Amino acid sequence: GAVVSQHPSRVICKSGTSVKIECRSLDFQATTMFWYRQFPKQSLMLMATSNEGSKATYEQGVEKDKFLINHASLTLSTLTVTSAHPEDSSFYICSARVLLAGIYFGPGTRLTVL
Amino acid sequence: EDQVTQSPEALRLQEGESSSLNCSYTVSGLRGLFWYRQDPGKGPEFLFTLYSAGEEKEKERLKATLTKKESFLHITAPKPEDSATYLCAVEDGNNRLAFGKGNQVVVIP
Repeated sequence: GAVVSQHPSRVICKSGTSVKIECRSLDFQATTMFWYRQFPKQSLMLMATSNEGSKATYEQGVEKDKFLINHASLTLSTLTVTSAHPEDSSFYICSARVLLAGIYFGPGTRLTVL
Repeated sequence: EDQVTQSPEALRLQEGESSSLNCSYTVSGLRGLFWYRQDPGKGPEFLFTLYSAGEEKEKERLKATLTKKESFLHITAPKPEDSATYLCAVEDGNNRLAFGKGNQVVVIP
């Protein structure tokens, strides 16, 4: 089946630093990838839609200057959390659509900001 | 605004005790309804996509059905390894996914 990977799986950083999370489609090309955030015992909230070769589309209330998204190739999208603060601590998950199959999610990245 | 409501929020089942999870939705231009399984600390695992009312799909002990207003995920003779949170999501005409809060299922041996 289709596989979406994320790296790193877990990251701990100091407040004020920036953190980059990678999302890769391993056996298919993805022109569009999606970034979600999930707080404990809550559902997934869509943050932004990442489009290969163009600007990302952000959901209302998501700061585009804080959550930088780059989709430089058909298999890689990155999410950079800039100047991270403790309230940014969360579980970040990406997904991609496999044509005629479904929408597949990565394993997630646990971000902890101290 | 798209809305997805899942019930019950939590469910405890004895091993072998079949049950159903409900996902009620309102969406503008349904493109698809998705079911996922999520284990703690992991990303959602794809189970099914349903596209039109009347459609049914099965995978091992799971069967998903769809009407114009809701979807059911039937778990037949569950085993402890079926314990997980089951997420329902709908995709609207703008290709955006809206998730419910999930059904947390615990199967007791």
